[in-house]
Amino acid sequence: DAKTTQPNSMESNEEEPVHLPCNHSTISGTDYIHWYRQLPSQGPEYVIHGLTSNVNNRMASLAIAEDRKSSTLILHRATLRDAAVYYCILRGPTGTASKLTFGTGTRLQVTL
Amino acid sequence: DTGVSQDPRHKITKRGQNVTFRCDPISEHNRLYWYRQTLGQGPEFLTYFQNEAQLEKSRLLSDRFSAERPKGSFSTLEIQRTEQGDSAMYLCASSFTGFGTEAFFGQGTRLTVV
Repeated sequence: DAKTTQPNSMESNEEEPVHLPCNHSTISGTDYIHWYRQLPSQGPEYVIHGLTSNVNNRMASLAIAEDRKSSTLILHRATLRDAAVYYCILRGPTGTASKLTFGTGTRLQVTL
Repeated sequence: DTGVSQDPRHKITKRGQNVTFRCDPISEHNRLYWYRQTLGQGPEFLTYFQNEAQLEKSRLLSDRFSAERPKGSFSTLEIQRTEQGDSAMYLCASSFTGFGTEAFFGQGTRLTVV
């Protein structure tokens, strides 16, 4: 499985933008970049995914480097409810590569 | 559809007992995954089904663990002769098959083996 590297933890002030980085230098051409987050005492929750182009949805934006070896999840205005562990995951299209392989993620702390 | 549901939410059992967990996926989803998560770690993949076929099992899934998905609907995960090391959160997820599809997770079943 292709691996991702994320910082263990990050801090942000409420209502400030947050940029969560992820390195994935061994990504293959068909791997999608997925982001999930896990709030305390809950199962992981899908945030966003992309292949090559930058993506936006109601929760966040995903900026993908041109060489696809890194990506950044952008929360435009962090709130206290965004405090969670954020996982960057590479997901292949078919077969066993399609399972989600979680690392330890980035624990985001949001303060007033 | 209210999402992926898991039952029970909490289970306390004595070492050596058997336990069974149930997962009801989102009804249209043909993929179903089981994960295990211990404190401070990300979820670890255990096994997955496409419809009723179990396509992959992790090396983490010892002979004491078995999973089924009869008729490609709900799934059960059974742990026989539980050990204290089995204490963890067991998570179920479901998704469509296909390029870049998102997976939906349940709230998990927290198992405590005493």
